Amino acid sequence: AQSVTQLDSQVPVFEEAPVELRCNYSSSVSVYLFWYVQYPNQGLQLLLKYLSGSTLVESINGFEAEFNKSQTSFHLRKPSVHISDTAEYFCAVSAIWGFNKFYFGSGTKLNVKP
Amino acid sequence: DAGVTQSPTHLIKTRGQHVTLRCSPISGHKSVSWYQQVLGQGPQFIFQYYEKEERGRGNFPDRFSARQFPNYSSELNVNALLLGDSALYLCASIQEGTEAFFGQGTRLTVV
Repeated sequence: AQSVTQLDSQVPVFEEAPVELRCNYSSSVSVYLFWYVQYPNQGLQLLLKYLSGSTLVESINGFEAEFNKSQTSFHLRKPSVHISDTAEYFCAVSAIWGFNKFYFGSGTKLNVKP
Repeated sequence: DAGVTQSPTHLIKTRGQHVTLRCSPISGHKSVSWYQQVLGQGPQFIFQYYEKEERGRGNFPDRFSARQFPNYSSELNVNALLLGDSALYLCASIQEGTEAFFGQGTRLTVV
């Protein structure tokens, strides 16, 4: 089985400041890695994913995440946040050969202040 | 193309009642998964169906059941509702090997 730990339940940050949301995972098999974002009263939207290849993956709205196999981490970063980035962010893993069952972390609430 | 659609969006049930939640996946996707998201927590895996067969089940009691129809839509059934079943129930349409596309969810409140 796999598990995901998101070390920060809440991250307050001022607008235009950089931010890092931390994610560590545990798995005995190879996994795919994902970040999802959830706005209030909505479902989950995929932000970015790591399947293979370059360990640095980017989203269209300026987020990036780096897969670090040795540290079993997949931290999410953005160099300059906007008010509209305020949401809850979930890190998730899925075993490569595991019928797409996703294991999610407990989430990090990003609160961007003006 | 329509995304993943779930119905109803909200409902309120009384303890002991039964509930059926519905999900239509993205056209062409043959796999559907169900997740429970309790307030303040991440989603927890309940079931996965592929080509109408159950392919995985999470750590949920037998009161939870599901099925997938020939058109790949799915139902999640919960019997004998408990207060603790109050949650956002998410349906995911799976593009195998890549990612899950989630619906907006059904907010179930048990009173």
